[in-house]
Amino acid sequence: AQSVTQLGSHVSVSEGALVLLRCNYSSSVPPYLFWYVQYPNQGLQLLLKYTTGATLVKGINGFEAEFKKSETSFHLTKPSAHMSDAAEYFCAVSRDNYGQNFVFGPGTRLSVLP
Amino acid sequence: EAQVTQNPRYLITVTGKKLTVTCSQNMNHEYMSWYRQDPGLGLRQIYYSMNVEVTDKGDVPEGYKVSRKEKRNFPLILESPSPNQTSLYFCASSLGWGPPDEQYFGPGTRLTVT
Repeated sequence: AQSVTQLGSHVSVSEGALVLLRCNYSSSVPPYLFWYVQYPNQGLQLLLKYTTGATLVKGINGFEAEFKKSETSFHLTKPSAHMSDAAEYFCAVSRDNYGQNFVFGPGTRLSVLP
Repeated sequence: EAQVTQNPRYLITVTGKKLTVTCSQNMNHEYMSWYRQDPGLGLRQIYYSMNVEVTDKGDVPEGYKVSRKEKRNFPLILESPSPNQTSLYFCASSLGWGPPDEQYFGPGTRLTVT
């Protein structure tokens, strides 16, 4: 069965520092992978997704993620953190390749310190 | 504006008092889903619907009911709420056909059952 782990329930970085949020997955089929962001008191919105093709995926707000099949990872990075990046981030993997059901990770709360 | 709406946003109720949380989308999406979000557990799927009159259980369906009589609406029903259903609930929708793709989330409904 598909599953997602996110190392670190809370990550703190200084403004301007590198952001690295980790996501590892297990999947019995070639995965479709997603990162979502949740700002306080809001729903989730898509940051980026990997379906097929290029393994380095660029998303909104300067975020990117790299699909590494050998490591079963899909870590999220941003070169320089901004105060507005403070939010909760969720990694998700599709349950299969033809539907819209997903398994979400437990989330990582990102704090950005001035 | 393309969106998923949920009502109410906040609800405090007592054990055993039936309630309904409404969800509506204006994007003509086939697929709709309900999740609950609990600290440290991420989002867990309650029920989903691939089309009108087609619904299926997710990972945590116990204590919940849904219906899909119209494409745009997907209400979540708690026939006899219990305190362990205190949670943050999200409705989501997506196109529904083809490979896994972005889900659009509502703003959430925070439910407290005393």
